[in-house]
Amino acid sequence: NAGVTQTPKFQVLKTGQSMTLQCAQDMNHNSMYWYRQDPGMGLRLIYYSASEGTTDKGEVPNGYNVSRLNKREFSLRLESAAPSQTSVYFCASSRTSGGFTDTQYFGPGTRLTVL
Amino acid sequence: QQQVKQSPQSLIVQKGGISIINCAYENTAFDYFPWYQQFPGKGPALLIAIRPDVSEKKEGRFTISFNKSAKQFSLHIMDSQPGDSATYFCAPNNYGQNFVFGPGTRLSVLP
Repeated sequence: NAGVTQTPKFQVLKTGQSMTLQCAQDMNHNSMYWYRQDPGMGLRLIYYSASEGTTDKGEVPNGYNVSRLNKREFSLRLESAAPSQTSVYFCASSRTSGGFTDTQYFGPGTRLTVL
Repeated sequence: QQQVKQSPQSLIVQKGGISIINCAYENTAFDYFPWYQQFPGKGPALLIAIRPDVSEKKEGRFTISFNKSAKQFSLHIMDSQPGDSATYFCAPNNYGQNFVFGPGTRLSVLP
């Protein structure tokens, strides 16, 4: 199993450009998440999808949109990139069933720089 | 916003020493208390987790101690090794709620 995969690994954008970060998991997990991590800070939740067909905002959703394409895939889109969106983006997934929240499994991250 | 605090912010320990990292939370509904370990350039990975029906859980050199009344849980790393040098995050959670990550503790274990 590959676990959680993310593409691309690195990306440089100019202010105003758009791009989509891709995430896929092969663990048959119900829930998927997008986080950003800035230097010296913890992870902040951007959006999450509790199950296929649902998405909800997290702590810092402004400037982002998401799509839960199917149970495996969860994409994050930046419509008009800004320098403040320079960060490392992590996708994660979890089983989250039976009334209990389970471990989150993280991808390797996408390092995004907006000039 | 649910508050999760970690201490210390950074920690330097000699090889063979004990590393202790603390996490304090506010939400009494949390029912899952994990610690994640993150190496530079990698995503976080679960290290050890505890549920509130027990006060302590040990896995090898890693131990979680849970104090429900104080709303705190801690990570103890016995016989710390240079390979343990990483950033550690607590991320308490309960079903139906988002994970809230602490700000992280950077551990350096000197050889």
